[in-house]
Amino acid sequence: DTEVTQTPKHLVMGMTNKKSLKCEQHMGHRAMYWYKQKAKKPPELMFVYSYEKLSINESVPSRFSPECPNSSLLNLHLHALQPEDSALYLCASSLNRGTGELFFGEGSRLTVL
Amino acid sequence: EDKVVQSPLSLVVHEGDTVTLNCSYEVTNFRSLLWYKQEKKAPTFLFMLTSSGIEKKSGRLSSILDKKELFSILNITATQTGDSAVYLCAVESNFGNEKLTFGTGTRLTIIP
Repeated sequence: DTEVTQTPKHLVMGMTNKKSLKCEQHMGHRAMYWYKQKAKKPPELMFVYSYEKLSINESVPSRFSPECPNSSLLNLHLHALQPEDSALYLCASSLNRGTGELFFGEGSRLTVL
Repeated sequence: EDKVVQSPLSLVVHEGDTVTLNCSYEVTNFRSLLWYKQEKKAPTFLFMLTSSGIEKKSGRLSSILDKKELFSILNITATQTGDSAVYLCAVESNFGNEKLTFGTGTRLTIIP
């Protein structure tokens, strides 16, 4: 079982909805990540938090808003999404940024209608 | 821009066969190369390689890195149906902006 927990596992939302994806880890990791993965494609980095501060934003549209309330939690707030945003959203953590080995959660499968 | 290319894109073999998966890369200021296995959802970590020519081994899986030729291979011997998955290669740069760049993966299918 993965030690990175993501909720919800599945989410269906309309283009006008506001929803949030949540991620939690209790391994004492100080870096947390959001990746987006479309079908049959590799994960694409969206955001990196290091010590609760946003350190990388890969030019992600503002309709995706990350938040790191504390070192164990990472949220991704969603608003006014488009159907092409439908994907698997993976959260990951690592001991520190740049230590290579990422621990992934099982992902949140998002469908935007 | 960092680039990772994996081959083959897909591979179908019979149980018991040995397979070799390839990963070549171009990265500014290489730090490490990692292999992950993705079955349905979460990629799971297999190996991290930083030094050239040193084989990492875990059971039937092994991997080696060639930093001169900029590639890595992942070997799986005596394959089992549970090895069926997408195998992802990723490289990490050390250029003050550490992040992983993933290849498109190799989809491995093991036929009983």
